[in-house]
Amino acid sequence: DQQVKQNSPSLSVQEGRISILNCDYTNSMFDYFLWYKKYPAEGPTFLISISSIKDKNEDGRFTVFLNKSAKHLSLHIVPSQPGDSAVYFCAATLRGFAFQGAQKLVFGQGTRLTINP
Amino acid sequence: DGGITQSPKYLFRKEGQNVTLSCEQNLNHDAMYWYRQDPGQGLRLIYYSQIVNDFQKGDIAEGYSVSREKKESFPLTVTSAQKNPTAFYLCASSRQGRGTDTQYFGPGTRLTVL
Repeated sequence: DQQVKQNSPSLSVQEGRISILNCDYTNSMFDYFLWYKKYPAEGPTFLISISSIKDKNEDGRFTVFLNKSAKHLSLHIVPSQPGDSAVYFCAATLRGFAFQGAQKLVFGQGTRLTINP
Repeated sequence: DGGITQSPKYLFRKEGQNVTLSCEQNLNHDAMYWYRQDPGQGLRLIYYSQIVNDFQKGDIAEGYSVSREKKESFPLTVTSAQKNPTAFYLCASSRQGRGTDTQYFGPGTRLTVL
């Protein structure tokens, strides 16, 4: 049962244009969402997050949008740069998930973004 | 430099052997995690620990074991009972494991069973 899904395994975008990565989730209890970026043979690095009380969060070139009614979030990268080429994972969690005392992230399958010069 | 280190980067194991993957952090984080990544799949949680001497099973704990004797260290043992151990293993830590604490990841260990 895949609770977090990234239906596009890959995406190719021209340098300077907008990259839009999508993520869908099924568990309406999720209330905190994150995006991670991963280069080959390295660990993921945190990019940006959003709480379910917001519908948008912006950090420089990166903006995450959350549509709770559709259970959908997206990551926009503007303008796209060659260094943005990587695999992007979305993840979801329950902030109130404290009964076992640790944050349990549920990850999507990832989308490989390629920025073409 | 604060961060998470994993060793070795590449590990080869013969079938039937146990192998231990190292994870050390100097971020003074309370919570630590082990994930497994397979091609075309997201990260799946194996074990996690919020405090020393305490740890909990994640979604795919069968065939794995962990210990948390020190705050800085969270080694993962892949036992011979793990049916398909070839994968990329990632260790992570977070400040206190609360819902909004960011998890920081190590560089990973690629395990190949020969």
